[in-house]
Amino acid sequence: AQKITQTQPGMFVQEKEAVTLDCTYDTSDQSYGLFWYKQPSSGEMIFLIYQGSYDEQNATEGRYSLNFQKARKSANLVISASQLGDSAMYFCAMREVRNFNKFYFGSGTKLNVKP
Amino acid sequence: EAQVTQNPRYLITVTGKKLTVTCSQNMNHEYMSWYRQDPGLGLRQIYYSMNVEVTDKGDVPEGYKVSRKEKRNFPLILESPSPNQTSLYFCASSPLDGYSNQPQHFGDGTRLSIL
Repeated sequence: AQKITQTQPGMFVQEKEAVTLDCTYDTSDQSYGLFWYKQPSSGEMIFLIYQGSYDEQNATEGRYSLNFQKARKSANLVISASQLGDSAMYFCAMREVRNFNKFYFGSGTKLNVKP
Repeated sequence: EAQVTQNPRYLITVTGKKLTVTCSQNMNHEYMSWYRQDPGLGLRQIYYSMNVEVTDKGDVPEGYKVSRKEKRNFPLILESPSPNQTSLYFCASSPLDGYSNQPQHFGDGTRLSIL
C-alpha cells in the first residue's frame, strides 16, 4: 500500500488566492512526522512545514499552514495569497520514528500560479 | 554555511562502468539518505544510514551500494549501472533525536544518465 498519496498531479490557482494541496498517509506507527517540501524548476528541495503526530494544533509557517486531520490520516498543505513564485512541485513526506526512521514521499503535485 | 554537497551534479556514462556519487554534510548529522526521483513516482529512498557503519535498505536498493565510514560522508556506488538507473538522485541528512520532527536537508541533486 502507498504510504503517502497525493491525488492531484497538477493544479492551477489564481495569484493572490488560497490553494489546498491534498495528502493522505498510511501508518500504524504512533509516532511520526509529516513534512511538505517545495521543488522549484531549478530542482532543489526546500523544506516548508512540519507536523508531528502528537501535535494538537495545526502547524503554520508564514503563508503555509497544514490542515492535519489525524483520524482521517490527512495532512493537506494550504498556501494563502498565492504568488507567482509558488509555482513549483510540492511533495508530502512522512517519517516513521519506530520504523527505523524511514522517510516516504508522495508522487507530488505540480502547482501553477496564474497571474 | 550548513549544506549537503553532492558531486557530480551531472553525469553521462555507459552501461556497466562503475561510478560513485559523493555526498558530504557539514552539520554533524547522524542520519543520511539517498533518494532517486523519477517522473510520477516522487522520491524513493534507496539507502539510509543512522550512524557510522550503520546502513540499511530503503525501498529501491537493487543495483546500489553505500558506505558510511565517516559521519560526514555517504557515497552512493553503482557497481554496474544500467539504463533503468537513469534518474535524478538526491542525498539528504538530518539529526536523529528519537523524535520525528527533524526535516532533512537536501543536496542539489545529481542528474545521472546511463546510456
